[in-house]
Amino acid sequence: EPEVTQTPSHQVTQMGQEVILRCVPISNHLYFYWYRQILGQKVEFLVSFYNNEISEKSEIFDDQFSVERPDGSNFTLKIRSTKLEDSAMYFCASSQGQLVSEAFFGQGTRLTVV
Amino acid sequence: TQLLEQSPQFLSIQEGENLTVYCNSSSVFSSLQWYRQEPGEGPVLLVTVVTGGEVKKLKRLTFQFGDARKDSSLHITAAQPGDTGLYLCANRRGSARQLTFGSGTQLTVLP
Repeated sequence: EPEVTQTPSHQVTQMGQEVILRCVPISNHLYFYWYRQILGQKVEFLVSFYNNEISEKSEIFDDQFSVERPDGSNFTLKIRSTKLEDSAMYFCASSQGQLVSEAFFGQGTRLTVV
Repeated sequence: TQLLEQSPQFLSIQEGENLTVYCNSSSVFSSLQWYRQEPGEGPVLLVTVVTGGEVKKLKRLTFQFGDARKDSSLHITAAQPGDTGLYLCANRRGSARQLTFGSGTQLTVLP
């Protein structure tokens, strides 16, 4: 069964360092998403990506964040200068289309900023 | 922003009991999704409800969408320890249909 895969599963980084979280969405999907979940809190939308550009982003997704699809298969989230409050589970998701099609989530990357 | 309120926040029951959890909003939904999330995993879609008054069954799980499409419930019959998890309702909105999640109900089913 096709699935969304994320690497690494756990990343520990020092405050101020750059991190890149990687995702391989399901191959025939067109919409890609990043969500995050701070421990004990809601799953929050960060950004959506379609047709090689950002389609929507939340207020969380500030200038420190960027996304890229460098090679047609990987979908990456970069945080330029991490802060302690960036510590969270980051989930990548993809969906086939715009309507009520299912969004499939990866298993997440646990980012710990120390 | 369309806020989703879920209740109860925590629920701990014995195996074999029945339970109902709720998802409410002051706004009307075009559709609503229920997800289940286990520790260290991403959310997994259980069902999408679209029509007001709709009832969908998934084995021992029964999902209902309110007539006014402002609320939904999930009823589990004869709960099992494998039902333990975080149950999330979510609404898809925006040009890319991104999800807005409720805060979830953490269900623990004790053997």
